[in-house]
Amino acid sequence: DSGVTQTPKHLITATGQRVTLRCSPRSGDLSVYWYQQSLDQGLQFLIQYYNGEERAKGNILERFSAQQFPDLHSELNLSSLELGDSALYFCASSVGQGVTEAFFGQGTRLTVV
Amino acid sequence: LAKTTQPISMDSYEGQEVNITCSHNNIATNDYITWYQQFPSQGPRFIIQGYKTKVTNEVASLFIPADRKSSTLSLPRVSLSDTAVYYCLVLYNFNKFYFGSGTKLNVKP
Repeated sequence: DSGVTQTPKHLITATGQRVTLRCSPRSGDLSVYWYQQSLDQGLQFLIQYYNGEERAKGNILERFSAQQFPDLHSELNLSSLELGDSALYFCASSVGQGVTEAFFGQGTRLTVV
Repeated sequence: LAKTTQPISMDSYEGQEVNITCSHNNIATNDYITWYQQFPSQGPRFIIQGYKTKVTNEVASLFIPADRKSSTLSLPRVSLSDTAVYYCLVLYNFNKFYFGSGTKLNVKP
């Protein structure tokens, strides 16, 4: 158990819908990262937050957004969903903002039908 | 655009040393390399990280040559439980994260 909690574990939704994925980081970790893992694209970095502020941005679509709340949990919002958004979405957390020793959650498997 | 490449798969036998190489371009002297292990239906698990020539911990070693165009994860004496997918992650300028495509390691008895 990494200490990072992601909910829900599975999500099935229709095209055009909007979903929210939730992540609770390890106790004491200030950074939260979101990654997408799909068969054709592999692991892709989406976005990082540190202590409530956006710190780094990767290949995140404009239809996607994220935020980190004062209690340090984070949410990833995916809207206008397309079939190609079906993937595993991982959240990871770390103590620092530039350190890459991150601990990953079990992921949320999103299926868009 | 940063490009990080790894061999698709490797086979090994129990007790052997395994070296997995990750090729990357334009890596600066303070850009970090991290290696992760991933089992099916689980999130990646941290193995080792560094930015210097050699880093060693209790489970692996990381080697980065002087030209910094590649890095190698070394796993000593692998066992069947080391069968997994291994990813390198390059952190450029502390804010750009690029994963390699992953190497599926198959350890045979």
